[in-house]
Amino acid sequence: EAGVAQSPRYKIIEKRQSVAFWCNPISGHATLYWYQQILGQGPKLLIQFQNNGVVDDSQLPKDRFSAERLKGVDSTLKIQPAKLEDSAVYLCASSLVFRPLNRGAGTGELFFGEGSRLTVL
Amino acid sequence: AQKITQTQPGMFVQEKEAVTLDCTYDTSDPSYGLFWYKQPSSGEMIFLIYQGSYDQQNATEGRYSLNFQKARKSANLVISASQLGDSAMYFCAMRGRRLGGSEKLVFGKGTKLTVNP
Repeated sequence: EAGVAQSPRYKIIEKRQSVAFWCNPISGHATLYWYQQILGQGPKLLIQFQNNGVVDDSQLPKDRFSAERLKGVDSTLKIQPAKLEDSAVYLCASSLVFRPLNRGAGTGELFFGEGSRLTVL
Repeated sequence: AQKITQTQPGMFVQEKEAVTLDCTYDTSDPSYGLFWYKQPSSGEMIFLIYQGSYDQQNATEGRYSLNFQKARKSANLVISASQLGDSAMYFCAMRGRRLGGSEKLVFGKGTKLTVNP
């Protein structure tokens, strides 16, 4: 089974430029997440999709970040214009629906891609 | 709101010894799951172990076990017989389940484990 695919792996841009990251989740996973991980910190959720609808984008800086998942499969995260503090690894993850009372449905763990490392100069 | 606290920025352990990584959590969700992930220097996030809030027994996966104390809201990870390859960042995370709410996975700040030969 193919894992979560992300591209590009690395990107270096100047501040005020734009950048886009792409993610293809595991087939059949309805839930897709974008996390931002700054060096030395834990991942921070930017946006969560359930199929093609947004479930949580409370920590997404909407003045510069946008994300879409038009057909409920792959997703794109865009930053425009980029700031120095946006330098981070952007992790995409996918999962099945979480059912903590039903172990037969799986643990609901998130499967992560390898990440896209962004450096803003 | 969900919150995960990992109070140990760094831990050191001798090879072949056991080590405990601390994690406490706070949530108002009636049911939830606790996860531990390992992140080596290469950057990938590797799922280690899961504990459901209604699980009566502590979870175990090979050399990993989760010491779940619900009343204390703690979910410590125990790694037995440490190996050099266990050197990595370890993140505790929680996912809740409530009506009308998102099921996001919230991470702690992580603990950097170093295994010495």
